Order: sequence, then structure tokens, then C-alpha cells
Amino acid sequence: DGGITQSPKYLFRKEGQNVTLSCEQNLNHDAMYWYRQDPGQGLRLIYYSQIVNDFQKGDIAEGYSVSREKKESFPLTVTSAQKNPTAFYLCASSISLVKDTQYFGPGTRLTVL
Amino acid sequence: KQEVTQIPAALSVPEGENLVLNCSFTDSAIYNLQWFRQDPGKGLTSLLLIQSSQREQTSGRLNASLDKSSGRSTLYIAASQPGDSATYLCAVTNDYKLSFGAGTTVTVRA
Repeated sequence: DGGITQSPKYLFRKEGQNVTLSCEQNLNHDAMYWYRQDPGQGLRLIYYSQIVNDFQKGDIAEGYSVSREKKESFPLTVTSAQKNPTAFYLCASSISLVKDTQYFGPGTRLTVL
Repeated sequence: KQEVTQIPAALSVPEGENLVLNCSFTDSAIYNLQWFRQDPGKGLTSLLLIQSSQREQTSGRLNASLDKSSGRSTLYIAASQPGDSATYLCAVTNDYKLSFGAGTTVTVRA
């Protein structure tokens, strides 16, 4: 089955800890994205990557970091510098940047205790 | 900065009624517009993608129109069913980014 997987589904973090959210796709897509969703709000772009070893900041990159060492993987690290990390995190991919439909993973719900 | 607005925020209709969901955006220099469906606690499913040169797209009971010059799109869902209950999100692409509206939460009553 082709698609995007995210793990874990639920994640709990203590204040001051870094956590890493996994995103893997087997769609052979070049572009990958990370979004944050808060209740009653639209999705906001954290980081995006057009190709391997390249990524760009989105609208709310502060307190987050990413890597793109492999085409199929785009992990997101939520650092202790992110002041309000409790949210629903969604990963997406598309054939190329801009023109194509984005396909979304099932999401990870992060809660800070 | 692109702003995307969806009105109403919530909608409740009896089964069989047609649904009309509205989306407006402030910057008309878009590459495309997408409509997504989101079920509670789940990821997004793409419903329709309209390129900037197109006026509408259809898929089954769904039809989406795009008026780029006025910054508006409308999603029509014909003969609604309880299974159509979900949140519908509109998103536009420009400057290599998707900008999302906050969504319209639809409840179809049996």
C-alpha cells in the first residue's frame, strides 16, 4: 500500500524535553511538508522540503527542526524552545512543490505534560 | 500575506439536502485551490484540486468552482448523507506554500 505513515499516533512530552515525530512516505514524492493544527484554526506550515538535503522554513518554524537525509523520510523535532507545542502535527507529501495535490498522513497528537 | 476564510464555521443539515461551503482568499495570484475533508482526529483527504486556469472541478456528488478574480471558491455536495459529516478545509497555493482556512464543520442529520 502506498501512503504516508506518521508515528507515534500520540506523544506525551515533559517540559524541557526534545521529541522527534516520524514521517515516512513510499509514494516516491520529492516534496514533503510539516504542518501544525490547533483547535478551530487552519493548518500552519512549519517546514517544507523540495528535495533531499534541502528544506525551508515555513510560517512558524521557531522551536522546530527537520532533516531530509532520505527521499522517503522527513522527521520533525520539537525542541524545548517551542513554547506551546501541544497540537496536532500533520505530515504531507506531493510529487513536486506547488503544482500537485498534497497527500497527508494520519497525524501525531503531541501533548506537553 | 494570504488570508483564507471559510464561512460558516459550522453547518447542520438534514439528510438529502444539498450543501454549499464557501471559501474566500485575499491574494488572487494562486497556482491552485484544493478542498480537503478531515474526520475527527484524522489526517486530511484531498477531495478536489482546481488549477488557477480552471473554473470548476467535479467528482461524483462534489463540485467545486473557482472565481480567481474575486477570490472565491464554492464546494457543492449534492444529496448529502450522514457519511458526509466531517470538517471541510479549503487551501490555496502561492509562493510555494499552502494557506488553509479554518474549515467548515458539517453535520448531516439522518
